[in-house]
Formats: sequence, structure tokens, C-alpha cells
Amino acid sequence: EAQLFDSGGALVQPGGSLRLSCVASEFTFSSSAMNWVRQAPGKGLEWVSSILNSGSDTFYADSVRGRFTISRDNSKNTLYLQMNSLRAEDTAIYYCAKSINWNFDYWGQGTLVTVSS
Amino acid sequence: EIVLTQSPGTLSLSPGERATLSCRASQSVSSYLAWYQQKPGQAPRLLIYDASKRATGIPATFSGSGSGTDFTLTISSLEPEDFAVYYCQQRNTWPLTFGQGTRLEIK
Repeated sequence: EAQLFDSGGALVQPGGSLRLSCVASEFTFSSSAMNWVRQAPGKGLEWVSSILNSGSDTFYADSVRGRFTISRDNSKNTLYLQMNSLRAEDTAIYYCAKSINWNFDYWGQGTLVTVSS
Repeated sequence: EIVLTQSPGTLSLSPGERATLSCRASQSVSSYLAWYQQKPGQAPRLLIYDASKRATGIPATFSGSGSGTDFTLTISSLEPEDFAVYYCQQRNTWPLTFGQGTRLEIK
């Protein structure tokens, strides 16, 4: 069964930067599209960003476009989310998720990002 | 952006009862709709994709139906572990969007 381990969440000040990582195992990472989905405290799910298996195409929610960058290193089975110019409204648990045809079939355990002064 | 509206917001039922959850899209998503279950402190779990196909390991008590703009998730007989929050998600059009969720609670 596919395994995903998210990490990198922390407390950061508004305007700051953070990089999240997601290490994958037990499936062929280089063949899978990958995604980030977030959940603000007590709220619902919000899709953040997606990347094709080769990394050739990326997609972003309007709320993060221009501030966040998704990338991957297929040699390390690792997905990344570089987050810049962080805002209070970016506070959330961030989940990495594997997808098949953009259905999220496996999820990491989540990593908490808190943006506060 | 396609808006998904789930109803009801909260559904109170007893174990053994049948649950019917609704998801309505602001425009057609064809059959490209999925359902997820989320329990407190856990990541979501994929239940149903493409409106009616059960994901791996999902029991037959869960079923999905619908197409276009109106979709339903049915749990035929509630088990104690089924009480959770359920989300729908469309993949027909970017950006990918989720509904706001339906909380299924024990009556």
C-alpha cells in the first residue's frame, strides 16, 4: 500500500517562507501525479496545487498562485511545496496526496503550518 | 470555478439506519465526482470515484450515484465507524474543488 510522509510544517511569521516535503514509498512515484490539499483549523478541504508525474505541468489554486511552488524529485521519491509570502489565511494542515485521474487515493498524515506573529 | 454544495450540513442518524448525502454542482461535472470520508485527527479517505465506483477496500454498504450536477452518497446500513465528515470533490474542471462537507453524527 502506498505510503506518504509529510513534513516541514512550523510556526512562521507573516511574510515568511517555508518548504514542505512529502516522501513517498510503496508505489512508483515517478508514474504518479501528486498534489497538496490543505485544511484550515475546523474547516473543510481546499485543493492547493498539483503536478504531473514528470513535473512538466503544474496547477495552482488562485489563492496561492504566484506565492507557492510545487515541485518533485523523482530520484528521491519526494514532493515539495515552497511557500513564500505566507499569510495568516495560509494557516492549515497541509496534506500531500497521490492521485489517479485527479482522484486523491492516498494521503499523507498532514503537517501543520501556522502563520502568526 | 465549480462550486459544490453539500446537504444537509449535519445528519443525525442511528446505527443500522440508511444515510443519504447530497452534493450539487454549480455546473455539470459529468461523472467526475468523488466522495471522501474524514474522521477526527485523520487524513481523508477516498470512498467513491467517478460518481459510482468504489475505491479499493471500501465496503459495499457505500454506494454513489448521479451525473451532471446532482450526486448522492448512500450508506445502506450505518456502522459505528461510519460516523464522520464526508466531502465530495470534482475533477471535471480546474481548479479542483471540494464541497463544504456533511457531518454524519450519531443520534
